Amino acid sequence: GAGVSQTPSNKVTEKGKYVELRCDPISGHTALYWYRQSLGQGPEFLIYFQGTGAADDSGLPNDRFFAVRPEGSVSTLKIQRTERGDSAVYLCASSYSGANVLTFGAGSRLTVL
Amino acid sequence: ILNVEQSPQSLHVQEGDSTNFTCSFPSSNFYALHWYRWETAKSPEALFVMTLNGDEKKKGRISATLNTKEGYSYLYIKGSQPEDSATYLCASNSNSGYALNFGKGTSLLVTP
Repeated sequence: GAGVSQTPSNKVTEKGKYVELRCDPISGHTALYWYRQSLGQGPEFLIYFQGTGAADDSGLPNDRFFAVRPEGSVSTLKIQRTERGDSAVYLCASSYSGANVLTFGAGSRLTVL
Repeated sequence: ILNVEQSPQSLHVQEGDSTNFTCSFPSSNFYALHWYRWETAKSPEALFVMTLNGDEKKKGRISATLNTKEGYSYLYIKGSQPEDSATYLCASNSNSGYALNFGKGTSLLVTP
């Protein structure tokens, strides 16, 4: 596609529910990143994929968070047993390789009530 | 400096004013410094990526400098326009990984 696409743009859920956020990167970009921006903070790194594999998942806050990229293109961020503190804008970005400038999506705003 | 720090947190200028922001970052194992502009309801947009000490880059009325030895970068906007209103994010990464470490951003408001 022409840009990085993220769905849904907004998600409101209740505490304890399961949520999936999807990212469709630019075609041909091998590197894909997930970031999270909480209110008043800068984007916080979550996980980085190179192709299908998670090259760096050190930013995932706990085992309720998991991400996959099975075919090296679309990625899904999965959050189990959501908590109010998970409320944030989840940003996805892609690049040709891990060292290049990032192209971001518009983000998925998650609100956990 | 362990984290990326940006100042000021917010800035309000009049149209036509020139302005600048500061980004401080860890200088040890430095690899690259990125600047992004994030307008409300849009995606963050890349402005500059700089890697070498002394780098200066320019894009229209916006320019940036880099000092890797002391760990800071400046972003300058000449003759600010209302469309420059956005949050300007700075991020750095080290040569041990590709994850960018972002600052909290500088929120710029330019009024006519």
